[in-house]
Amino acid sequence: SYVLTQPPSVSVAPGKTARITCGGNNIGSKSVHWYQQKPGQAPVLVIYYDSDRPSGIPERFSGSNSGNTATLTISRVEAGDEADYYCQVWDSSSDHQMVFGGGTKLTVL
Amino acid sequence: QVQLVQSGAEVKKPGASVKVSCKASGYTFTSYDINWVRQATGQGLEWMGWMNPNSGNTGYAQKFQGRVTMTRNTSISTAYMELSSLRSEDTAVYYCARVVVRDYMDVWGKGTTVTVSS
Repeated sequence: SYVLTQPPSVSVAPGKTARITCGGNNIGSKSVHWYQQKPGQAPVLVIYYDSDRPSGIPERFSGSNSGNTATLTISRVEAGDEADYYCQVWDSSSDHQMVFGGGTKLTVL
Repeated sequence: QVQLVQSGAEVKKPGASVKVSCKASGYTFTSYDINWVRQATGQGLEWMGWMNPNSGNTGYAQKFQGRVTMTRNTSISTAYMELSSLRSEDTAVYYCARVVVRDYMDVWGKGTTVTVSS
């Protein structure tokens, strides 16, 4: 089955740029989606199809995907961005499964 | 507005079954698949499967095949997820979510806590 690998944690100072990676075999050939989850809340979609932003998501959130790594970038990080972030793909190989990365805890210092 | 409203918390004994509901509003229920995702305390998101409310077709994660059943009642725009032979490891928050083109989930319910304990 397809595996997505995320770093468990990323720390960043306010106003700086945070980059959260999502590794997978030839992930660049798949569409990657990102979710933000704050404690006690349901996940919220922040990036879809690698780099598209849903309405209401700040332009500070952006995404890219190439080779074996997809990246969620958060510019000018704010305290309110502190959350868990999950990448997700649909594995259309023989498994036909939706796959999540293990999640990354973003800490704003 | 588009929303998914889930049923309330459940407490079940090991070996029992639980059925969680997810009522859709603000959009045409049969136009989007519904996913079910669960999350144990302190753990990550785990996909359980999908259901097409129009056809009733389903697809389940291998881990849950044989133990999960996803159904719907289109007359009341409600999706259901039933999990049987519960064990303590099934204690988690269960989410339903609207799926776009079977690719990503743009609307989520608030979650239903299921506790399995003797």
